[in-house]
Formats: sequence, C-alpha cells, structure tokens
Amino acid sequence: GAGVSQSPSNKVTEKGKDVELRCDPISGHTALYWYRQSLGQGLEFLIYFQGNSAPDKSGLPSDRFSAERTGGSVSTLTIQRTQQEDSAVYLCASSLGPTGNSNQPQHFGDGTRLSIL
Amino acid sequence: AQSVAQPEDQVNVAEGNPLTVKCTYSVSGNPYLFWYVQYPNRGLQFLLKYITGDNLVKGSYGFEAEFNKSQTSFHLKKPSALVSDSALYFCAVTSRDSSASKIIFGSGTRLSIRP
Repeated sequence: GAGVSQSPSNKVTEKGKDVELRCDPISGHTALYWYRQSLGQGLEFLIYFQGNSAPDKSGLPSDRFSAERTGGSVSTLTIQRTQQEDSAVYLCASSLGPTGNSNQPQHFGDGTRLSIL
Repeated sequence: AQSVAQPEDQVNVAEGNPLTVKCTYSVSGNPYLFWYVQYPNRGLQFLLKYITGDNLVKGSYGFEAEFNKSQTSFHLKKPSALVSDSALYFCAVTSRDSSASKIIFGSGTRLSIRP
C-alpha cells in the first residue's frame, strides 16, 4: 500500500515568508509525528498527534510553528515569518498505535527540504 | 527520563567484515527498542524491533540486534557488511509500561563500508 507522503519535496522561500508543509499518513494510522532534521544530523521532535487527543506540542521551537491534523488524517505544519535557522528537512511519520506502550514502528515520509534564503 | 546514546558518530568497516553499531538506553520500566536506517534524501526506514522474549532479533537486509538488559544495550550487527549498507542508523526506545511514553531517537551513527 501507499506509504507516508509529504509535499512539497523541496521548498525554497525568502526569509519572512510563511510556509505550509503537508503530510498524508498511511490510511488507518492514528498517530502522526513531525520531526526536524538538520543536514545529516539527528531528529528533533516537533509535535505528536494521537487520535482525537490534544496534540503534544512540547517540541515546537517557537510560536512561529504550528500544526494541525484535520479529520484524523492529513496534517499541515505551518511556519510563519520564516528565519534562516528554519532551514532543515522536515520529516513526518505515522504509526498504527500511540507511541507509548506500543511496539508499532513509525513509517516515515521522505521529508520536505526547506531552504530559507 | 528516557534517553538513547549512540556513542559513535561514525563507524568504518571493510566490505565483508562484521559490523556493529552501538546503542545504549535508559527507560522507566521495560523497553521497546527499534533500529532505523536512513539513506540519502530519504526518510527513516524501520529495520527491526525488540519487544520481549529472545534477546537476538533479526530484521531486514541481514541485520540483527542483541538486547542486553544488564548492560541496557541494543547493538546492531551484521556478519558481513556490504557497500550498500552505508547509511545513517538510528536507535530508538520507548517504554512498554507507560502509555504516556514518548519514543526517543538517538543522535545517529553514520556507517561507511569501504570496498
């Protein structure tokens, strides 16, 4: 079946502009995660959605970052007034069950490469 | 608090030799442990996981990992490395005992296999 799909695959924008990144998780997956990865580095957790529960936003680096998940499926990560330090790869992942108390692996999209000029 | 340590930023191995990528963890209660691989310009791909039972877990592409509770380790191994195994590898842990547990990823180890 189809995997996690992210769009756009690449985004170049000017400093100060707003950007929207989209994630289509695997159908039926209740959990959805956003991560940020700087070039060849580790993963930085941003936000976690699980079913109808309130999202865990503890990883969002500033109030310029926000995310929503509509209808328990598609998610959009929005970055307002982008800064050069926002340049990174933004990865989305989904899983069948919640993170905690679950052995369900995460399935990752190929990411959106965001470059802020 | 949960944590994962991958002590080596880079591991270099000759093709055909065995490889080990190290991972140690700290978690409240019993762990679920995972290994993921990331190829250039791709997302992470699941390799294998430890749930319970047999300490030696076999996964994709001939990889295996050994769970050691006393050493709180989950090292990734392969008997004979291939050049195509060159990639970035991530270890991850979550708690089996807490529904509120998050999954924590290590900082990654870059594996380089020379011909």
